[in-house]
Amino acid sequence: KQEVTQIPAALSVPEGENLVLNCSFTDSAIYNLQWFRQDPGKGLTSLLLIQSSQREQTSGRLNASLDKSSGRSTLYIAASQPGDSATYLCATSGGSYIPTFGRGTSLIVHP
Amino acid sequence: EAQVTQNPRYLITVTGKKLTVTCSQNMNHEYMSWYRQDPGLGLRQIYYSMNVEVTDKGDVPEGYKVSRKEKRNFPLILESPSPNQTSLYFCATRGNALLDTGYTFGSGTRLTVV
Repeated sequence: KQEVTQIPAALSVPEGENLVLNCSFTDSAIYNLQWFRQDPGKGLTSLLLIQSSQREQTSGRLNASLDKSSGRSTLYIAASQPGDSATYLCATSGGSYIPTFGRGTSLIVHP
Repeated sequence: EAQVTQNPRYLITVTGKKLTVTCSQNMNHEYMSWYRQDPGLGLRQIYYSMNVEVTDKGDVPEGYKVSRKEKRNFPLILESPSPNQTSLYFCATRGNALLDTGYTFGSGTRLTVV
């Protein structure tokens, strides 16, 4: 059974820092990997989707990489801002369409 | 605009009073699912549906029912709610493999059962 782990569980940084959030998974036979952002009490907003054949995806200040062989994905946030404060979740999915979610990294960016 | 719409956003009810949380999508996605999210437990899948009239249990189906009579709607039914079903609920959809844009989530329903 797939297991997804996100490290660290919580992170507090000053504004302007470049950040790396980690996501590891135990079964490399994934179809894709998706990163989400969740604000407190709100829904999950999709940030980036990486197909299994891709190595990375970029959107603005966000860059996500995928290394299937090592079972790892990283989300890189450049020049962090207070508005980036949220919980970031990763999820893998295989051919069954049923995703496996990590528990998330809670990020606080303070001015 | 592609979206998943859940209603209501907030609901307070009493133990045993049947309720339905609706989920509707305008993306013609086959796959729809329901999750609950609780502090310290993360997202847990309740039920999912691969297409019309096809539903399956997720990890925590006890106390819940679903139906998929048409592609766009996937209501979650609590026949006799109990306080341990107090939670934040999400509906999610996903398209088929030919046009995979990943999962799209609704805004959530905060349910309190007293």
